[in-house]
Amino acid sequence: DAGITQSPRYKITETGRQVTLMCHQTWSHSYMFWYRQDLGHGLRLIYYSAAADITDKGEVPDGYVVSRSKTENFPLTLESATRSQTSVYFCASSEQGTYNEQFFGPGTRLTVL
Amino acid sequence: QKEVEQNSGPLSVPEGAIASLNCTYSDRGSQSFFWYRQYSGKSPELIMFIYSNGDKEDGRFTAQLNKASQYVSLLIRDSQPSDSATYLCAVGDSNYQLIWGAGTKLIIKP
Repeated sequence: DAGITQSPRYKITETGRQVTLMCHQTWSHSYMFWYRQDLGHGLRLIYYSAAADITDKGEVPDGYVVSRSKTENFPLTLESATRSQTSVYFCASSEQGTYNEQFFGPGTRLTVL
Repeated sequence: QKEVEQNSGPLSVPEGAIASLNCTYSDRGSQSFFWYRQYSGKSPELIMFIYSNGDKEDGRFTAQLNKASQYVSLLIRDSQPSDSATYLCAVGDSNYQLIWGAGTKLIIKP
């Protein structure tokens, strides 16, 4: 039972490059979320999705793009990476909704040079 | 701006004692409350949830909710060194969004 996986686990890129972080879940949860976690800020919601082809902005969506063509996948793209996007990114899923228990992937540590 | 507040710590507790973690929230219409544990370098892991006023017990963990005073607590009995982690409080607000606290770092001293 793989649950929720993220790839890559670590990524180093340069300013201005496009980067895509992958998230895959095997539970068939309807809801999926992308968070970033930085020291002093806790978890901040970037985007979320209630179902395939339904996405919505969270607290900090600028500079990010998401898509969800299949229920199990929810990729996050940084269109033109900036140093301020250096962070740990967590994908999460929920069976019940946006304000119910969420289950997290292992995270991707992204460094933008 | 809806907020969830936690003392950042670190909170240092002797092994075997009770660790008490607190969380306050600003949205009086909040309906769901969660405690997550996060080990250093790992992802958050759900350990407790509570929806109703009062206490909810699960093994060594007890969640306490007081909606009138707008706080939720997590008690860890017989604290173990393996309980050393950052504990995140999350609150489902009246807009059906999960609002996260910044976490309290707990250190259990052998």
